[in-house]
Amino acid sequence: AQSVAQPEDQVNVAEGNPLTVKCTYSVSGNPYLFWYVQYPNRGLQFLLKYITGDNLVKGSYGFEAEFNKSQTSFHLKKPSALVSDSALYFCAVRDIPGSARQLTFGSGTQLTVLP
Amino acid sequence: DTEVTQTPKHLVMGMTNKKSLKCEQHMGHRAMYWYKQKAKKPPELMFVYSYEKLSINESVPSRFSPECPNSSLLNLHLHALQPEDSALYLCASRRTRNTEAFFGQGTRLTVV
Repeated sequence: AQSVAQPEDQVNVAEGNPLTVKCTYSVSGNPYLFWYVQYPNRGLQFLLKYITGDNLVKGSYGFEAEFNKSQTSFHLKKPSALVSDSALYFCAVRDIPGSARQLTFGSGTQLTVLP
Repeated sequence: DTEVTQTPKHLVMGMTNKKSLKCEQHMGHRAMYWYKQKAKKPPELMFVYSYEKLSINESVPSRFSPECPNSSLLNLHLHALQPEDSALYLCASRRTRNTEAFFGQGTRLTVV
């Protein structure tokens, strides 16, 4: 079965510092990976995806993610964190071919950017 | 238009009430989804509609009844809910299996 793991429930970073939110995956076949962000009492917003191609994927709001096949990781990064980046972040993987289930989500990481 | 619109945004209902949640998208997506999300947890898949046909029901209790009247609209009918059904209900849609899903803002449901 496809799965993703987010090893950190909470990440704190000072404003202006670089941030990293970790995600590792376990899939059969080629991984299709996604990052979503959720602000309080809101729906999930798409940030970026890796389907194929360059290992460094650029997304919305200055976020990027690095796909590392050897380490089976897809960490989310941003060079300089903003207080407004504080939110809940979910890594997700597309389900197996032939399944309509769409996505399997990680457990989520709460990012807090301190002023 | 890249929006998925959900109404209402908030809903409080008693355990004997009948209510409905509505979801609408005009992006031409033929796959639509209902999720349930508890605080600080990932969304849990409830139902999947593909080309207006129910393709997945994740063993959801019958007090939740989905409906897809057309390719743009998805409803979730609620009846005799329990307090533990209180959650954020999210609707999503996507064009293909390889593309990202678009989520609505959710309906915050409280069952009293």
